[in-house]
Amino acid sequence: NAGVMQNPRHLVRRRGQEARLRCSPMKGHSHVYWYRQLPEEGLKFMVYLQKENIIDESGMPKERFSAEFPKEGPSILRIQQVVRGDSAAYFCASSPPAGEDYGYTFGSGTRLTVV
Amino acid sequence: AQSVSQHNHHVILSEAASLELGCNYSYGGTVNLFWYVQYPGQHLQLLLKYFSGDPLVKGIKGFEAEFIKSKFSFNLRKPSVQWSDTAEYFCAVNALTDSWGKLQFGAGTQVVVTP
Repeated sequence: NAGVMQNPRHLVRRRGQEARLRCSPMKGHSHVYWYRQLPEEGLKFMVYLQKENIIDESGMPKERFSAEFPKEGPSILRIQQVVRGDSAAYFCASSPPAGEDYGYTFGSGTRLTVV
Repeated sequence: AQSVSQHNHHVILSEAASLELGCNYSYGGTVNLFWYVQYPGQHLQLLLKYFSGDPLVKGIKGFEAEFIKSKFSFNLRKPSVQWSDTAEYFCAVNALTDSWGKLQFGAGTQVVVTP
């Protein structure tokens, strides 16, 4: 049973370009979460999604960032017009629905570097 | 503001020494508590969790943690560390007033175990 798959592992973008980060949840998991980790800081919650629904986006920056989890395919975190401050590690996690066994599992992350 | 605090950013100790990492949170209501470990170059892995019941929780790899509600603390302990315990350790909280699965992380403690 493959874990949470994130790709790419490393992504380099020039300022002003778009970054697309992909996350495939574990088989059987219907909930996806995105976190950002800045240097010397812990993970910061960004967004919580279920299939075709955004449940909690309280941690998402108001501009340039968006996330989706379509009916088919991976969850996508999209950053438009990237700036140097977007350089960070972005982690995705997935879980089964609340009330089932706690199966919250993290992916290996995508390290975004904006040059 | 709600927060999770880890007392030490860096800890260096010798093999066979005992380890205790502090974690305090500022949420007033019911919480679920977690400790995660991140080995170099790897994804976050769950060490242990507390939802309810016995406040002394045993996890993997010989780790345990004690929930002290009156102190809003969830400290992690290991009686005798090994070189392979070198990693970054994160405390995390899910407040039940938040959405399921939204974790608030501490800044992390980098632990280095010397041979």
